[in-house]
Amino acid sequence: QPQLQESGPGLKKPSETLSLNCTVSDGSFTGTTYYWAWIRQSAGQGLEWIASMYYTGNKYYNPSLKSRVTISLDVSKNHFSLMLTSVTAADTAIYYCATSGSVANWGNWGQGALVTVAS
Amino acid sequence: SYVLTQPPSVSVAPGETARITCGGNNIGGKSVHWYQQKPGQAPVVVIHYDSDRPSGIPERFSGSKSANTATLTISRVEAGDEADYHCQVWDSTSDHLYVFGTGTKVTVL
Repeated sequence: QPQLQESGPGLKKPSETLSLNCTVSDGSFTGTTYYWAWIRQSAGQGLEWIASMYYTGNKYYNPSLKSRVTISLDVSKNHFSLMLTSVTAADTAIYYCATSGSVANWGNWGQGALVTVAS
Repeated sequence: SYVLTQPPSVSVAPGETARITCGGNNIGGKSVHWYQQKPGQAPVVVIHYDSDRPSGIPERFSGSKSANTATLTISRVEAGDEADYHCQVWDSTSDHLYVFGTGTKVTVL
C-alpha cells in the first residue's frame, strides 16, 4: 500500500485557517478506483470523520463541519489536502489522512499530525 | 445523527475471549468495520464488511452482527491485543457517511 504522510502547522490561533497536506508515496491518483479521507481524533476521544473525496471527483463532508471544511486533490503534487476555517480549541486533535480501495472503510492511514489551537 | 455506542473498557485474561459490542439503531442493515489502535499509532482494520478479515489479521479476530448490535470477538487473547478498538459504519443513505463508535479500551490482565 502507498505510504501516507501528513504535513502542516502544529499550532494555530483561534479563528485562523488550518491547512494540511497528505503526500502519497506512489502518487497513483489517476485511472484508479480510490477513495481519500481526513479523520481526526481528539485527546482520549474516539475517531471523527471529517471529509472524503472519491475517484469520481465527488466530495463528502461531515455535516457538523461542512461549512468550514474543504478537501481537495493535487495530482501534480501527489497529495490531497484539508482546509478547515475559523478553528477553535475544539479543533485541537490528531489529524489523520487515509485512503482505501474500498468505499466503506479506511485501510491505509498516515501516522497522524497533531494540531493544537491555542492563543 | 447516527450514534454507535461501545463499552469504554473490557478486561480479559490471556487465553480467554474478549467480546466488544457496538450498538446502533438498525446496525444490521449497515456495513460494519472494526479497527485496532495501539498507543501512538494509527488505526488498523481488523475486520471489514461485518465479518471478513483483511490479509494478515489472525483468525482469532472475528466479527458478527445482529439487528442492533455488532460484535468483535478476540479469541485466545494475547498481550499484544491490548489496544483501543473502534467500530465504524458506512451509511450511503446519510449525509454523515462514515460514523465511528465511541471506542473500547481492551486491557489484558
